[in-house]
Amino acid sequence: KNEVEQSPQNLTAQEGEFITINCSYSVGISALHWLQQHPGGGIVSLFMLSSGKKKHGRLIATINIQEKHSSLHITASHPRDSAVYICAVTVGQGAQKLVFGQGTRLTINP
Amino acid sequence: DAGVTQSPTHLIKTRGQQVTLRCSPISGHKSVSWYQQVLGQGPQFIFQYYEKEERGRGNFPDRFSARQFPNYSSELNVNALLLGDSALYLCASRDRPFSWLPSPLHFGNGTRLTVT
Repeated sequence: KNEVEQSPQNLTAQEGEFITINCSYSVGISALHWLQQHPGGGIVSLFMLSSGKKKHGRLIATINIQEKHSSLHITASHPRDSAVYICAVTVGQGAQKLVFGQGTRLTINP
Repeated sequence: DAGVTQSPTHLIKTRGQQVTLRCSPISGHKSVSWYQQVLGQGPQFIFQYYEKEERGRGNFPDRFSARQFPNYSSELNVNALLLGDSALYLCASRDRPFSWLPSPLHFGNGTRLTVT
């Protein structure tokens, strides 16, 4: 079982819909990152969370440390939101590493 | 300000050869980390360097090595290439190591390596 699991793996929705992508992890973490990857490979960091909730424009990220779960929400989705969304966690003491989920491929149709 | 830059953008090598990938972090960032992303999968952590010292290593064989220079740029070296090393190699920089208070990661666009 992967240390970081995302769901769903693929998501197709219509423009304007509310989108939720989930991330569960099984290890102790110091931070959780939500990343966006467009075709071609470039990755953009959307959020970094260690507790609570963050909002940036139409994007909202929440984390529940006790339940080891995080969600990424997109309100009023738009075709330009189509991308792969990746959850990653920072783990370890001292020599730390980043562990990634497998990604969620989101397609928003006009 | 320039973002994280990686070179080359694409590379084709033959099995058994060696390859060196390069990364320049954002100005002022002293931490560089490397990741391998095989097609259709999430990235996997390879190395983290901070202040020219290795601060973390993922589950990769000794064929993979890296170093960080005094100007904080970094090189990833892979020896004895295998077909399975074909992947997108990503570099990210941040202003502090993972073990300090968390801070955002800034990724380069990656080097796509094809091993034939």
